Amino acid sequence: GAGVSQSPSNKVTEKGKDVELRCDPISGHTALYWYRQRLGQGLEFLIYFQGNSAPDKSGLPSDRFSAERTGESVSTLTIQRTQQEDSAVYLCASGPRAPNGFEQYFGPGTRLTVT
Amino acid sequence: AQSVSQHNHHVILSEAASLELGCNYSYGGTVNLFWYVQYPGQHLQLLLKYFSGDPLVKGIKGFEAEFIKSKFSFNLRKPSVQWSDTAEYFCAVNSPLRAGSYQLTFGKGTKLSVIP
Repeated sequence: GAGVSQSPSNKVTEKGKDVELRCDPISGHTALYWYRQRLGQGLEFLIYFQGNSAPDKSGLPSDRFSAERTGESVSTLTIQRTQQEDSAVYLCASGPRAPNGFEQYFGPGTRLTVT
Repeated sequence: AQSVSQHNHHVILSEAASLELGCNYSYGGTVNLFWYVQYPGQHLQLLLKYFSGDPLVKGIKGFEAEFIKSKFSFNLRKPSVQWSDTAEYFCAVNSPLRAGSYQLTFGKGTKLSVIP
């Protein structure tokens, strides 16, 4: 079946511009997660959605980062006024409803480069 | 805060050599443990997982991992590696979220290069 998809696969933007990253989870998965992977680092948790509510935003690094989710489907991660330190691969994962939501299925990621 | 340590940054092996990648975690409560693999140019895939029961877990492609609670470890093993195992391997452990669900805390990854 279809996996998690993300778009765009690559994004190059100038410092100070806003970017929007999209995630389409696996159908039926109510849990959705965003992570960030910087070069040479492990994955860093950003935000978790259960349905369209975001009960945990504790990982968002600054108020320039925000995310929304429409129902139990697509999610968008928005980064305003991008900075060079935002350059990373942004990964989305979806999973079954908690508490069985331990399994997370990852998308291919969006590679963001801020110049 | 939860942390996961992978001690080897880059491992280079010849084909048919045995593999063991170390993973230690800090969380003292009930844990669920995972190994993910990322092949070159591909996305993260689940290799194996431990939830409960037999601490020796078998995954895909001949990989296995052993959960040793007393050592807070979940090392990944494979008796005989192949060139196609060249990839980056990430250990992860569940961390509770405020919402009653879990996020995954990842180690920094170990890059495995298998020489034909």
